[in-house]
Amino acid sequence: GNSVTQMEGPVTLSEEAFLTINCTYTATGYPSLFWYVQYPGEGLQLLLKATKADDKGSNKGFEATYRKETTSFHLEKGSVQVSDSAVYFCALSAKAAGNKLTFGGGTRVLVKP
Amino acid sequence: DGGITQSPKYLFRKEGQNVTLSCEQNLNHDAMYWYRQDPGQGLRLIYYSQIVNDFQKGDIAEGYSVSREKKESFPLTVTSAQKNPTAFYLCASSIGMAGGDTQYFGPGTRLTVL
Repeated sequence: GNSVTQMEGPVTLSEEAFLTINCTYTATGYPSLFWYVQYPGEGLQLLLKATKADDKGSNKGFEATYRKETTSFHLEKGSVQVSDSAVYFCALSAKAAGNKLTFGGGTRVLVKP
Repeated sequence: DGGITQSPKYLFRKEGQNVTLSCEQNLNHDAMYWYRQDPGQGLRLIYYSQIVNDFQKGDIAEGYSVSREKKESFPLTVTSAQKNPTAFYLCASSIGMAGGDTQYFGPGTRLTVL
């Protein structure tokens, strides 16, 4: 079946540091890939997505590139802020699974001033 | 403003009681979903509905029930058969279930069994 593996947290950074959260996946065919962000006590918000190989999703300074050869979709941001402290989820949807979302376990990021 | 609303934000239940969580959307989306989130874990799919009057079980449907009588509404009932119901419940919707369709989430309901 489909699965998503992302690095365990927490990841603790200083403000203006570079952030990378690794995400790899297993899926049949060509899934769509997503990054969602969850702030404390809230629901999930879509951060970015990519629907085909080599696509780059970007939003709010975050980027991720769909790498089919390495089955990866790593999230990066060049200079984090305290307000980026949240839990980040990598997810995929695949046609073979009815396009339902499969989530990774989430990575908690804490940015200190 | 268009969006998804869930109520209540916090819910307390005694063991042996059924409880219904509300989810409403005004995005004109066909598909709706219910997820469960446990501390420090990802989301697991409980039920989903692609269209009014139709719904399917997700990965962890046992002890839960749903209905989809209106396009805007997808309530979830947590029954007494659910052995460990304390969790954070998230409702979501999407235009459809085509590849790449984005799911939009509500703010969640935190259920605690006393």
